[in-house]
Amino acid sequence: DAGVIQSPRHEVTEMGQEVTLRCKPISGHNSLFWYRQTMMRGLELLIYFNNNVPIDDSGMPEDRFSAKMPNASFSTLKIQPSEPRDSAVYFCASSLASGNTIYFGEGSWLTVV
Amino acid sequence: QQQVKQSPQSLIVQKGGISIINCAYENTAFDYFPWYQQFPGKGPALLIAIRPDVSEKKEGRFTISFNKSAKQFSLHIMDSQPGDSATYFCAARQNYGQNFVFGPGTRLSVLP
Repeated sequence: DAGVIQSPRHEVTEMGQEVTLRCKPISGHNSLFWYRQTMMRGLELLIYFNNNVPIDDSGMPEDRFSAKMPNASFSTLKIQPSEPRDSAVYFCASSLASGNTIYFGEGSWLTVV
Repeated sequence: QQQVKQSPQSLIVQKGGISIINCAYENTAFDYFPWYQQFPGKGPALLIAIRPDVSEKKEGRFTISFNKSAKQFSLHIMDSQPGDSATYFCAARQNYGQNFVFGPGTRLSVLP
């Protein structure tokens, strides 16, 4: 039973470059979340989708961040241009819309130098 | 009002001891309170959860105590083991949508 799958697991990029993080939610789950984790700010919800539709993107830090969910089995989080302050672990998570449990992936560790 | 406060930031306990982590919230619209456990290099995973109509929930060595009037809840880990060493997050969900608010986390170290 595959969990939430994220790629890449680790990414080191230079400031100004575009970064794309990818996520495959658990099959059958219809809610998908992108979280960012840093030492300073903890776990922050960036955006979540229900049935592929963005419901709440108030946590997206600024226009450099964008997220898409073209179908039920795939989502991307894009940062363009990237900045050193974007360095963090980005988690994708999924759940049933009617469920209480969010299942997290193992995260994408982003370092922007 | 959307915040969940959590303490302590870090905790060191001897093997066999009791670990206690506390959380507090303000938003009375929160209706579900899970605890997540995160090991290094992994994503958080659900450990145990409680609804506000219950004052206590126990699963094995893990117990949530919930005080609705005080808007506080806590996680107790009995007979703490070195394998319990992880970061623990309390969280709260509002009674609509799927927006979970997480506490800042407590790093627990259980010494052998």
